[in-house]
Amino acid sequence: DAEITQSPRHKITETGRQVTLACHQTWNHNNMFWYRQDLGHGLRLIHYSYGVQDTNKGEVSDGYSVSRSNTEDLPLTLESAASSQTSVYFCASSEDWTGDEQYFGPGTRLTVT
Amino acid sequence: QKEVEQNSGPLSVPEGAIASLNCTYSDRGSQSFFWYRQYSGKSPELIMFIYSNGDKEDGRFTAQLNKASQYVSLLIRDSQPSDSATYLCAVKMDIQGAQKLVFGQGTRLTINP
Repeated sequence: DAEITQSPRHKITETGRQVTLACHQTWNHNNMFWYRQDLGHGLRLIHYSYGVQDTNKGEVSDGYSVSRSNTEDLPLTLESAASSQTSVYFCASSEDWTGDEQYFGPGTRLTVT
Repeated sequence: QKEVEQNSGPLSVPEGAIASLNCTYSDRGSQSFFWYRQYSGKSPELIMFIYSNGDKEDGRFTAQLNKASQYVSLLIRDSQPSDSATYLCAVKMDIQGAQKLVFGQGTRLTINP
């Protein structure tokens, strides 16, 4: 069955380290998104992509980067992890070019100590 | 600032009753509206979407949209304990020339047996 997966599911890292969170989908969706979810803030968009080689900044993109070299994967990199980036990260994908009907991965819980 | 507002709850409803979840949004030009359900520790799951004014029914769920009042709601009939979750309202908005999904903070719903 087609699905969207994230790895690792849990990660503990130290301040200043570079961290990459993986997102892989087998739906062949063009659109992929990264969100973070924090108490009191709901889901906030970090970066998104509408296709291979396309990346765009969301509302909380500072300190994060993404790359899209194929349809299936959109890895999220924290260049220099900060304690403020401790959060739950969700990847999502959608088929329609407008990004409607997004489907979420299981999430990655990241702790920066 | 473009926003989606929800009462964070918790909203407590007896089993078998109707649960009513409400959401208001700031962008009058929004055209697409979504309800996601999120169980504790899990990822958001799309349960309803609505694009036109009025009601849309799917099983025990009814989404209601009033664009003039900038108001969207979700009704859950014959509430079951398995409906206990956080419900996220999401609205597609034009932000800096791009259509983006903006989420409310979610309403925590508890169904009491």
